[in-house]
Amino acid sequence: EDKVVQSPLSLVVHEGDTVTLNCSYEVTNFRSLLWYKQEKKAPTFLFMLTSSGIEKKSGRLSSILDKKELFSILNITATQTGDSAIYLCAVDFPGAQKLVFGQGTRLTINP
Amino acid sequence: DTGVSQNPRHKITKRGQNVTFRCDPISEHNRLYWYRQTLGQGPEFLTYFQNEAQLEKSRLLSDRFSAERPKGSFSTLEIQRTEQGDSAMYLCASSFPSQIYGYTFGSGTRLTVV
Repeated sequence: EDKVVQSPLSLVVHEGDTVTLNCSYEVTNFRSLLWYKQEKKAPTFLFMLTSSGIEKKSGRLSSILDKKELFSILNITATQTGDSAIYLCAVDFPGAQKLVFGQGTRLTINP
Repeated sequence: DTGVSQNPRHKITKRGQNVTFRCDPISEHNRLYWYRQTLGQGPEFLTYFQNEAQLEKSRLLSDRFSAERPKGSFSTLEIQRTEQGDSAMYLCASSFPSQIYGYTFGSGTRLTVV
């Protein structure tokens, strides 16, 4: 069964800290890995990764994929209280029209 | 508002009642998806439409669940004879065919079955 596992499930840090969120997957086929941020209701798209070793960056957020070891990390530097959210990782398969999500990491940034 | 719109935002129902949710996707998007999210879990795929055709259904979608997209625009998700285990957030998303990463999610309908 295809599986996506995120760790940690919950993380509390102080504003200004750097955090690393992990996502590992066990899937029979793979097309891409996606990261989403879910603040209150709707998940919003952050990154899509398809190639190993190529870092995607957007401001203080960056992500990288290791297709050999089947994992991805999402880094957030100089965290702000507005980064508090649930971060979801999902995997997309060729030919399938669905995403398989991990459980999410609940990140809390304290001022 | 040009995003994905879902109604109602919240629904409380008694066990055994039927409920129906509506999703209005972004008008240019011909793909529409329903996901279910329970507390502490990521969204789980339920079903997907391309235009009016329902092309894939999850095993999670028991025979009490039915989804339609009659004219390829808005979609409805009906749950018959609700059970407490149906309590969850029901998320709708839409996309263009070639932009699965461009899923746009709605804010969801939170269902509580009492």
